[in-house]
Amino acid sequence: DTGVSQDPRHKITKRGQNVTFRCDPISEHNRLYWYRQTLGQGPEFLTYFQNEAQLEKSRLLSDRFSAERPKGSFSTLEIQRTEQGDSAMYLCASSPRLSVTDTQYFGPGTRLTVL
Amino acid sequence: KQEVTQIPAALSVPEGENLVLNCSFTDSAIYNLQWFRQDPGKGLTSLLLIQSSQREQTSGRLNASLDKSSGRSTLYIAASQPGDSATYLCAGLNYGGSQGNLIFGKGTKLSVKP
Repeated sequence: DTGVSQDPRHKITKRGQNVTFRCDPISEHNRLYWYRQTLGQGPEFLTYFQNEAQLEKSRLLSDRFSAERPKGSFSTLEIQRTEQGDSAMYLCASSPRLSVTDTQYFGPGTRLTVL
Repeated sequence: KQEVTQIPAALSVPEGENLVLNCSFTDSAIYNLQWFRQDPGKGLTSLLLIQSSQREQTSGRLNASLDKSSGRSTLYIAASQPGDSATYLCAGLNYGGSQGNLIFGKGTKLSVKP
């Protein structure tokens, strides 16, 4: 059990470019979550998957954002036409069972800087 | 809509002190409440999870309590050490609405001076 991993750890891009982040959850964890955290704030929910199904999306997830979990294992989060306001830490978490009350285990995050 | 508030925003204490971090929430219909630790530029580490039917949880020098009726949780850290320096976040998981996303406070930044 190596924990939740995220790649890349840091990404610097120019405004208008597309970026994609990857999250590998803990093996056999059914649920996978994406959160965004800006400086001095707590993480804010973006979306979550149960296996390969994307069951909920926050209003924070604009049309420029898309997330996938094609085989119910790893997930990707893509941001198209990045804006400076997208600069944040993007956190991925997974939880082991179908119960919503299980602990969420967080990855190290991907820090995005949009110039 | 659930709102989570943490007080104080920052705290500095000398090594060895016992301390309490506070978390309040507006909607008492929660499944559970979790406390996390976040080191600078890093992800979150789960410290304690209190189910709605429980009143407290303990792990080593940490003790977390939950009072749903008053909408409050506290994290007690005994005999603080410099290695405890980090930001501590509380998060509530609510009934209804979103199926499982946590609502976080802004955190308390703790500094323990040697």
